[in-house]
Amino acid sequence: AQSVTQPDIHITVSEGASLELRCNYSYGATPYLFWYVQSPGQGLQLLLKYFSGDTLVQGIKGFEAEFKRSQSSFNLRKPSVHWSDAAEYFCAVGRGGADGLTFGKGTHLIIQP
Amino acid sequence: NAGVTQTPKFQVLKTGQSMTLQCAQDMNHNSMYWYRQDPGMGLRLIYYSASEGTTDKGEVPNGYNVSRLNKREFSLRLESAAPSQTSVYFCASTQTGGNTIYFGEGSWLTVV
Repeated sequence: AQSVTQPDIHITVSEGASLELRCNYSYGATPYLFWYVQSPGQGLQLLLKYFSGDTLVQGIKGFEAEFKRSQSSFNLRKPSVHWSDAAEYFCAVGRGGADGLTFGKGTHLIIQP
Repeated sequence: NAGVTQTPKFQVLKTGQSMTLQCAQDMNHNSMYWYRQDPGMGLRLIYYSASEGTTDKGEVPNGYNVSRLNKREFSLRLESAAPSQTSVYFCASTQTGGNTIYFGEGSWLTVV
C-alpha cells in the first residue's frame, strides 16, 4: 500500500530565511509525487509535481522539490520565504486510478517577522 | 474555466439530517473522487468513480453513499449525518491514466 509521511507537523521560519519541508513516501512502482498548498479556508493549490526525468522540479511561487529515489523522499524547498507562504503544505503520491492520491498529514508553516 | 465545481461551499446540519454534496467537472475526465479533510489527518479517500455508473469504496466510506449518473457529475450523500462527519469535503477528477488530479474548492460541513 502507498503511504506518505510528513515528519514535521509544524515548522516556524523567519521571513527571508530558507525553507525545507520533508516528505517520505512508500510506493510499489515509480511514483507520481505532488506538493499542494492550502491557505486557511481555501482549497488545494498544486505547487509542483514529479512524474519522471529531471529529479529537481520547479513549481509556482518560487518552490522547488527534489526527488531522491534512494531515500524515498521528495522534499520541498524555497530559498527565501515570504509572509504569504504561511499555510498548510501537503505531500501526495499516486497515479490516479482506484487509489487516487495518498496524502501526508500536512505540515503547518508559520512565518515569523 | 470552471474545472471542478462543488456545492454547497458551507453547510450546517443537525445530527440525523441528510444532505447531498454536488460535484461537477467540465474537463471530460473519466475518474472522479471524494475526499474528506480533517485536522492532522490530511485528505482521505471516501469514494472513487472510474466512469459513469461505477463506484468503489476508498479508505473511509462508512456513512456515505455516492452516485455517478453521468460523466460530469459525482455526488456524495450523507443519509443520517453524525458529528463525526464534520469535515471539509473535496471533490476531484482526472483523466484515465492522467497524471494530475484536479480539486474543487471544498465544502465545509458542520454537523451539530
